Amino acid sequence: KAGVTQTPRYLIKTRGQQVTLSCSPISGHRSVSWYQQTPGQGLQFLFEYFSETQRNKGNFPGRFSGRQFSNSRSEMNVSTLELGDSALYLCASSLETANTEAFFGQGTRLTVV
Amino acid sequence: GESVGLHLPTLSVQEGDNSIINCAYSNSASDYFIWYKQESGKGPQFIIDIRSNMDKRQGQRVTVLLNKTVKHLSLQIAATQPGDSAVYFCAENRFKTIFGAGTRLFVKA
Repeated sequence: KAGVTQTPRYLIKTRGQQVTLSCSPISGHRSVSWYQQTPGQGLQFLFEYFSETQRNKGNFPGRFSGRQFSNSRSEMNVSTLELGDSALYLCASSLETANTEAFFGQGTRLTVV
Repeated sequence: GESVGLHLPTLSVQEGDNSIINCAYSNSASDYFIWYKQESGKGPQFIIDIRSNMDKRQGQRVTVLLNKTVKHLSLQIAATQPGDSAVYFCAENRFKTIFGAGTRLFVKA
C-alpha cells in the first residue's frame, strides 16, 4: 500500500511569489491535514480537509489556503511568500477524521529567498 | 492558548535501558492523544495513541500513560535501541491536532 506522497520534495521561491504544494493521501483515506514545521515554532496545524470540505483551520493568515479534490488529493497554496514561510510543509492522511491514526508524508521543504 | 509542552528538550539513555518521555497538555477537552517519532529527513511516524477514556495503552515495546487529572502524558520505551534515536512529539486532538515542541532522544551504545 503506497504511503502519503508529497510533491515536490524541495522548492525554492522568491519573496512575493506564490507556491502550490501537492499531497496524495493513502488510498481510501478521506481526511488530509497540513502542517508547517519550523525549528522555532515546531509543528503547527494549518488546516484539515475531509470530503472536499475544509473542516478545521489553524491560526495562519489568509495567504495560506488549500483544497481537496474528489479523489482526496489535496493541494495547499501560499500566496505572496515571505521569508518566514520557509519551512517543511507536511501532509497527513487519516481514514476518516484527524481524530484517528494519521500517516505523514515526507514533506515539502520550501525555501523563500 | 492551545499548547502541548514537553518537560525535557533532550533525553540521553543507555542502550537497553528504558526511556520515559513526558508531556503536558493544556486543553482539558482534548480526547485523543498521540505520540509520533520523527527521524531526520522524514515525516513524523505514528507510534501509539490513547483516548481520554483510557489511562494506559501498550504497544510493542512502548506504553503510553495518560493522567487527565494533571493533564500529563508519557511515553515509555522498553529496552531502548539505537534505532529509537529520534525526536518524539506528543500531540493532543480536539477537532484539530496540536503538537508539542518535541524531545530529542539519544541512545548511547
